[in-house]
Amino acid sequence: TQLLEQSPQFLSIQEGENLTVYCNSSSVFSSLQWYRQEPGEGPVLLVTVVTGGEVKKLKRLTFQFGDARKDSSLHITAAQPGDTGLYLCAGVRETSGSRLTFGEGTQLTVNP
Amino acid sequence: DTEVTQTPKHLVMGMTNKKSLKCEQHMGHRAMYWYKQKAKKPPELMFVYSYEKLSINESVPSRFSPECPNSSLLNLHLHALQPEDSALYLCASSPRTGVSNYGYTFGSGTRLTVV
Repeated sequence: TQLLEQSPQFLSIQEGENLTVYCNSSSVFSSLQWYRQEPGEGPVLLVTVVTGGEVKKLKRLTFQFGDARKDSSLHITAAQPGDTGLYLCAGVRETSGSRLTFGEGTQLTVNP
Repeated sequence: DTEVTQTPKHLVMGMTNKKSLKCEQHMGHRAMYWYKQKAKKPPELMFVYSYEKLSINESVPSRFSPECPNSSLLNLHLHALQPEDSALYLCASSPRTGVSNYGYTFGSGTRLTVV
């Protein structure tokens, strides 16, 4: 059983559309992080959320941490081809010390 | 300097070879990590170093041997690997462990192929 369940696994949309990626768990997290990874490269940190109910915006990306700190979402407005990549949520559980655990990832393709 | 640098970028080694992966950061981070990533899968934690001391070993086989010579460097020594060990090996760092609101900075990885 995956600690962090990400959905959808694959998403292919047209330029200009909006999308939401979800990251869910039955465990409580001290923090959740979102990363974007391109082929052959390491993940790049987009945001860290630490407070239940927290909302953070990064240009066209909006990140939300659930009130109970068990889930998070990433919403992209007016997607562009440059948004194409693997989006990974990752979290540190309250009981796991220094272990950052990743979800399975969402492969996003934005077609021109 | 806000980067984690990994060398080499690509490595092909035989099952009887000994090789080392290197990772360097100059951000003053005191926590460093090794992750392994197979194709189409998320990164999996291997080792955590905190203040140059090994704090977590995720039951990694002894053919992988980590080393942290100083606060800026992290090595992963490889010996007698198997073909199934072929993967992207990622190094990461964060200011310190135990504080969950720090994001990690990842290197670009070493693509390892064991033949």
